Amino acid sequence: GQSLEQPSEVTAVEGAIVQINCTYQTSGFYGLSWYQQHDGGAPTFLSYNALDGLEETGRFSSFLSRSDSYGYLLLQELQMKDSASYFCAARGGATNKLIFGTGTLLAVQP
Amino acid sequence: NAGVTQTPKFQVLKTGQSMTLQCAQDMNHNSMYWYRQDPGMGLRLIYYSASEGTTDKGEVPNGYNVSRLNKREFSLRLESAAPSQTSVYFCASTRPGANTEAFFGQGTRLTVV
Repeated sequence: GQSLEQPSEVTAVEGAIVQINCTYQTSGFYGLSWYQQHDGGAPTFLSYNALDGLEETGRFSSFLSRSDSYGYLLLQELQMKDSASYFCAARGGATNKLIFGTGTLLAVQP
Repeated sequence: NAGVTQTPKFQVLKTGQSMTLQCAQDMNHNSMYWYRQDPGMGLRLIYYSASEGTTDKGEVPNGYNVSRLNKREFSLRLESAAPSQTSVYFCASTRPGANTEAFFGQGTRLTVV
């Protein structure tokens, strides 16, 4: 089967840098993606890593290490609006289903 | 461009009632998904459809049925609702290829009393 594990909560202050980790177990792994979900809203896509290494998109970066079955999302220059839940997700297995991680609630404090 | 449209947005059911959640996408995506999200929990896959005419069970399929009516539409049916099915339901779609960018509907908040 597939599973993706994340810390349940992370707290950081405005302007700081925070890292949200994701460890996964899946067969036929194609890559790791990240989603943001504000309270009451739908998840929205942030980034995707097909290959090992760092992908940067503005204040957000995402990293993947296939050999370690591990990835992380890095948020820089935190703003209050970054307070949200963040999910890693992977497609894999025989039928290529998209499975989400357990989610990390990020609280940004003044 | 509407993206993914889910109906209804809110629903209250009595235990034992049935209902169908509707989902339609206008992006010509092959794959469609139904997830449920419970407070403090992640998105758990209920059912998945890789293409028109095919469906596959996800992590939590018990108590649900699905129908991929055509490429655009993927419906989720609760035949006999139970309080344990109180949740927020999200429909999503993805285009072909390894990039797993999923587009989500706005969700259906279902309460079973």
